[in-house]
Amino acid sequence: ETGVTQSPTHLIKTRGQQVTLRCSSQSGHNTVSWYQQALGQGPQFIFQYYREEENGRGNFPPRFSGLQFPNYSSELNVNALELDDSALYLCASSLAQGREQFFGPGTRLTVL
Amino acid sequence: AQSVTQLDSHVSVSEGTPVLLRCNYSSSYSPSLFWYVQHPNKGLQLLLKYTSAATLVKGINGFEAEFKKSETSFHLTKPSAHMSDAAEYFCVVSAAGGGNKLTFGTGTQLKVEL
Repeated sequence: ETGVTQSPTHLIKTRGQQVTLRCSSQSGHNTVSWYQQALGQGPQFIFQYYREEENGRGNFPPRFSGLQFPNYSSELNVNALELDDSALYLCASSLAQGREQFFGPGTRLTVL
Repeated sequence: AQSVTQLDSHVSVSEGTPVLLRCNYSSSYSPSLFWYVQHPNKGLQLLLKYTSAATLVKGINGFEAEFKKSETSFHLTKPSAHMSDAAEYFCVVSAAGGGNKLTFGTGTQLKVEL
């Protein structure tokens, strides 16, 4: 059974650019959540997708957006990048809403 | 609203001695509580979870935690530390089940010395 995978592992962007991060959920999982982990902090919930619909959002501005595809893989898009967006972005999938979340290794984004 | 407070940002123990990582929670409803571990350059791994069953929860690698509602605590313990336990540990609270929004603490860095 393949676990949660994320791509790319590392990414460097400049302020004002746009970025897309990708996540493949664990086999059979229909729910995907995204978290931002700044250096030295705990992860912060960005949003969750369930069967291709956004199902809950944390305190992040609209320039953070997402998609979930019919195969339950997901994308996180961030527009107009700011220096404070530099962080580890974690994706987690679960078998269904209300079930345990399994995390991927993350994408390290650096904004210069 | 829900939150967790990890009372120590750094804990240092000697190999073979007990580990205690402290966590207090706040929740307006019956919470689910978790401990996750994060090794450098690796994803978060679930150590154990409490979801309103037995208050003493046993997890992987010899870790356990006790849910104490009267003290709003969920401290993580291990009788004997191993070098491989050195990592960042996060206490996490969620609505029942854990599949919804997870609220993380700020983490405790555990150092294990020879």
